Order: sequence, then C-alpha cells, then structure tokens
Amino acid sequence: DIQMTQSPSSLSASVGDRVTITCRASQSIGRYLNWYQQKPGKAPKLLIYAAYSLQSGVPSRFSGSGSGTDFTLTISSLQPEDFATYYCQQSFTTPYTFGQGTNLEIK
Amino acid sequence: EVQLVESGGGLIQPGGSLRLACAASGFTVSSNYMSWVRHAPGKGLEWVSVIYTGGSTYYADSVKGRFTISRDNSKNTLFLQMNNLRAEDTAMYYCARVDNIVWNQFDHWGQGALVTVSS
Repeated sequence: DIQMTQSPSSLSASVGDRVTITCRASQSIGRYLNWYQQKPGKAPKLLIYAAYSLQSGVPSRFSGSGSGTDFTLTISSLQPEDFATYYCQQSFTTPYTFGQGTNLEIK
Repeated sequence: EVQLVESGGGLIQPGGSLRLACAASGFTVSSNYMSWVRHAPGKGLEWVSVIYTGGSTYYADSVKGRFTISRDNSKNTLFLQMNNLRAEDTAMYYCARVDNIVWNQFDHWGQGALVTVSS
C-alpha cells in the first residue's frame, strides 16, 4: 500500500499569513494527488486535484504543486474561513490512502 | 446539481450488521466510480471501498471480508453492507463520487451517516 505522510500535523497561523502544507508519498504517484478541506461536522471538500488543478469554485488563494512523491498545498493569504483540517490523498491505486491530516488553527 | 444523500446509520451492537445507502441525483451512479470513506472520532479520513463502472470492487484491509459495496442502477443508489461490526468501525461514513475520467478525484460528497458500534 502507498503511505501518505503530511507535515506538519498541526499549524497555528494568522489571517493574512501564507501557509504551506507538505505531503509525501511512499512511492511515485505521478500527479495522482488530491487535497481536501474538512471543517468540524462537515463532509470533506475537494480543493485541488491532479497535484495542481484547482477545483471549480475554489478560491485562487489555494494552490498545489509537486509530482512523483513530494507535494505541497499553499494558501497565499489565510482567510477566517480557511481554518480547518486539510488532507492529501493519492488516487493512483487502491487503497486510495489519505494523509493523517493537518489541523490549521488560528494563532 | 449533483447530490448524494446517505441513510441507514445508527447504533448497533458488536457483531451486528447494518446497510448504508447513498441516493444519488444529478448524475448516473453506474457511469462513475463510487466510493465510501469514513471518519472515526478523533482520527483522520480513512478510505473504505470503491466500485468501478465495470463492477469491480476494492476494499481497505480493515474491512475486507466484512463489508460489501454494491449499487442498484435502477434506483441510482450506492450501498455499503457492513457485517460483523466492531467497535473500531464507529465513524461517520461518507459516500463520494469519483471523477474517473483521468485523476480519480473525489469531487462530490454526501453529508455522512453516523455508525456507532457499542453494547
């Protein structure tokens, strides 16, 4: 199985900050890397697919990069509604594993 | 508009069975990969199962042999039959549509069905 490792596990930041979350796959997955945002009590929401493609309706302050085994999610200027938990997921092969999550908190 | 609505969750004793349903609208279930993902209290997201357009099915090791994913094309509904339930299966269960054109991203999710396994 492909293991997905996110860092950091938690992060404190302020409104307006630039934030970067990283995700590493245990083997090459090409661009088969997706990012999701989840708020408490809500379903996950797709933000980025294929490593850097922005899902329709998602603000342009979210961006993704990387390929192979190393990926990043960047939020260019944090907004109050961005405080949530973020997950990466590989969709290269089953099991479609998720990272352990990054909890983004208000400083 | 794409919508997914789960039902069938509840409180069940260890060893019991439960069937979750996910009613879809705005698209055809049989034309997409469809998946189940769960979120246990205090833990991260865990992928559970997928059914491909051709009918092939795949499972996480943690549920293999106990859970069965299926679909009813006439009802445009996805199912998850869960047998021999354990305390560690307690979670919110989400169904998700998989955009299987190229990248297999989970682009639409239901609101979730809560399953609690406890005596």
